[in-house]
Amino acid sequence: DAGVIQSPRHEVTEMGQEVTLRCKPISGHDYLFWYRQTMMRGLELLIYFNNNVPIDDSGMPEDRFSAKMPNASFSTLKIQPSEPRDSAVYFCASSLAGAMLSYNEQFFGPGTRLTVL
Amino acid sequence: AQSVSQHNHHVILSEAASLELGCNYSYGGTVNLFWYVQYPGQHLQLLLKYFSGDPLVKGIKGFEAEFIKSKFSFNLRKPSVQWSDTAEYFCAVIGNTNAGKSTFGDGTTLTVKP
Repeated sequence: DAGVIQSPRHEVTEMGQEVTLRCKPISGHDYLFWYRQTMMRGLELLIYFNNNVPIDDSGMPEDRFSAKMPNASFSTLKIQPSEPRDSAVYFCASSLAGAMLSYNEQFFGPGTRLTVL
Repeated sequence: AQSVSQHNHHVILSEAASLELGCNYSYGGTVNLFWYVQYPGQHLQLLLKYFSGDPLVKGIKGFEAEFIKSKFSFNLRKPSVQWSDTAEYFCAVIGNTNAGKSTFGDGTTLTVKP
């Protein structure tokens, strides 16, 4: 398996522009997570999906952020309009629920390094 | 609500020294526990995990962790660190009623001096 795939790996954009980050989870996984990592705030969970349905988006910083999962093999995180404080590494992760309410580890993608000028 | 506390923000060791990183969690029910490692410039990868059974769990690269239920702890250990262990280490917990959502600790940065 190729693992979790994210694109682009690096994105440099100007303030006010729309940014779309993409994620392909591991085939068969039923959970998908979006995280943001910065030196100042560490690792933050933004939103996660179960079977393509958003379960908890309380970590999404503001209305400029939105995420979708139209099918089991694809998710997007969109920032519109982008601001310099959105500069961070954005990770996507996926996992597979186990039996009897047992949850397995998350597999992280390589991340997208976003720089907003 | 579940929470995770990692006691050490930054640990500096010399090669061959022993390592122990603390992790305490707060959750009243059954938990699954994980340690992840993030090497510089890379993504998080699983080191080891505990679901049930033997509370002493062995992971990759010589790491192990011990689940002590009475202390709500899951400390990470390695008897002899190497320079290549320089990384950030995250403890994470999933409670059995938390619908798959992991809670991560703030991370501990380990620097191993050659």
